[in-house]
Amino acid sequence: NAGVMQNPRHLVRRRGQEARLRCSPMKGHSHVYWYRQLPEEGLKFMVYLQKENIIDESGMPKERFSAEFPKEGPSILRIQQVVRGDSAAYFCASSPPSHNEQFFGPGTRLTVL
Amino acid sequence: AQSVTQLDSQVPVFEEAPVELRCNYSSSVSVYLFWYVQYPNQGLQLLLKYLSGSTLVESINGFEAEFNKSQTSFHLRKPSVHISDTAEYFCAVSEGGSNYKLTFGKGTLLTVNP
Repeated sequence: NAGVMQNPRHLVRRRGQEARLRCSPMKGHSHVYWYRQLPEEGLKFMVYLQKENIIDESGMPKERFSAEFPKEGPSILRIQQVVRGDSAAYFCASSPPSHNEQFFGPGTRLTVL
Repeated sequence: AQSVTQLDSQVPVFEEAPVELRCNYSSSVSVYLFWYVQYPNQGLQLLLKYLSGSTLVESINGFEAEFNKSQTSFHLRKPSVHISDTAEYFCAVSEGGSNYKLTFGKGTLLTVNP
């Protein structure tokens, strides 16, 4: 059973470009969470999704950030018009419906030049 | 709102010494508590968790943590560390009722020296 997969592992973008981060949950997991880790900080919750539904996006910046988890395919975190402050590690986690444990992917490290 | 405080940002120790990484939380409701470990340039791995029952929980690699409700703490301990334990350790909490949103501390970098 493969773990949570994220790609790309490293992403470099120039200011103003778009960043797309992908997350494939563990088999059998229908719940996906995105977290952001800024340098020397803990992880901060961004959004919680189930298939085709955003359940809680209270941690998402109001502008430029969006997330989806379609019926088929991976979950996508999209950042439009990136700025240097978006540089961070973005982690995806998945869980079964019980929520008792979240399994984390290896992260995507976004660098904005 | 819940919060997690890890008082020590860095803890250097010598190999085979005991270690304690401190974690305190604040929450107005019942909580689930977790310790995650992050090795350099890797994702987080669950080390151990407290959901209910015995307040002392153990991991397979010798770590243990004790939930202390009166002190709102969940300190992580190991009686004898190895160099391979060098990593960043994160304490996290989720509220028992809507327990999907993990709130993390800022992390403690454990460095084990020979």
